Amino acid sequence: GQQLNQSPQSMFIQEGEDVSMNCTSSSIFNTWLWYKQDPGEGPVLLIALYKAGELTSNGRLTAQFGITRKDSFLNISASIPSDVGIYFCAGQTQGGSEKLVFGKGTKLTVNP
Amino acid sequence: KAGVTQTPRYLIKTRGQQVTLSCSPISGHRSVSWYQQTPGQGLQFLFEYFSETQRNKGNFPGRFSGRQFSNSRSEMNVSTLELGDSALYLCASSLGYSSYGYTFGSGTRLTVV
Repeated sequence: GQQLNQSPQSMFIQEGEDVSMNCTSSSIFNTWLWYKQDPGEGPVLLIALYKAGELTSNGRLTAQFGITRKDSFLNISASIPSDVGIYFCAGQTQGGSEKLVFGKGTKLTVNP
Repeated sequence: KAGVTQTPRYLIKTRGQQVTLSCSPISGHRSVSWYQQTPGQGLQFLFEYFSETQRNKGNFPGRFSGRQFSNSRSEMNVSTLELGDSALYLCASSLGYSSYGYTFGSGTRLTVV
């Protein structure tokens, strides 16, 4: 089945540092999504990418859809304490299988 | 507008029992999907409903079932609970038959003892 390899599994950084995480897959996806999950809550969509090569920003967050359509990365610049949480990538194929395939998540800890 | 509402938030059940979880989607959303989240396996797709029809099903045993009502509210049922069913069950809704614009609820934390 389809799998997403998300790395790193966890990160411990100082406030103000930049963060980078990525997802790779052996399968091609038509859509890449990045979510953040706070403790006790459901994932919240941060950025959606729909075209290979697309680079999209949302405030301090920037994500890119890899040109091979098999990878994506998320960067967070100038991290702040409220960036703490688990970040998930998710890929979606089309053609009858609309479910999302999620990575295992990157747990981010920001030390003030 | 109100978000996706899942009830109950927490549940403790005994092995062998059955459980029903409820999800009320955002008003106007017709698609509801269910995911199981565990520390070991991450987020795993259970099933998706659109206009009262199951459109997709993940690789879970038949003990896991669901349905959607005419008002788009959805329920999922797990029968003969096992310890491994302990997880956070998340529901997500979207406007159409697609996960574009998915909005997740806060989930139901199920503990099987």
